[in-house]
Amino acid sequence: AQKITQTQPGMFVQEKEAVTLDCTYDTSDQSYGLFWYKQPSSGEMIFLIYQGSYDEQNATEGRYSLNFQKARKSANLVISASQLGDSAMYFCAMREVYNQGGKLIFGQGTELSVKP
Amino acid sequence: DSGVTQTPKHLITATGQRVTLRCSPRSGDLSVYWYQQSLDQGLQFLIQYYNGEERAKGNILERFSAQQFPDLHSELNLSSLELGDSALYFCASSELAGDYNEQFFGPGTRLTVL
Repeated sequence: AQKITQTQPGMFVQEKEAVTLDCTYDTSDQSYGLFWYKQPSSGEMIFLIYQGSYDEQNATEGRYSLNFQKARKSANLVISASQLGDSAMYFCAMREVYNQGGKLIFGQGTELSVKP
Repeated sequence: DSGVTQTPKHLITATGQRVTLRCSPRSGDLSVYWYQQSLDQGLQFLIQYYNGEERAKGNILERFSAQQFPDLHSELNLSSLELGDSALYFCASSELAGDYNEQFFGPGTRLTVL
């Protein structure tokens, strides 16, 4: 069965420093997508970044980058130059493209706190 | 603003009751997904509709049902509510059914069952 594991329940980072949030996944499919979402205290889910299983380069979106290591089945999120507004829950998710219509499977999340 | 709307934002009801959650996808999106977020279960996929038809089913209880209407809005019906149904219910939409496009989430409906 597909599974996403986020082993860091909580993380602290100093403002302006970089932080890496870990994510490992398990799937037997060759084609899949990996996503990161941010959930601030207000509750909405905000899409951050996407990585396809066949993408050779790591995805980047502004201050967010995804460190994709396919052989290790990891898809870590790197946030550079942390800001106070980055304090939130972060969820890693996976979608198997050709199976069951594209539902997302989420990890348990990592709560990031940015200190001033 | 993702373009996905959900109503109501908050819902407080009693055990045994029935409620309906409504979702309007982004303009042009044919696929609608429902997710439940609770403290003990985390974020779980419930059900997906694509262009009016059920496409995939997850951990959805038999007391729950959903549908997608011709105008593509969707409703999630929760009946015989129990305390454990208290959760944040998200609707998400995407343009197609099983592609690489990201799913855009609505603001959620927070359901409290007393």
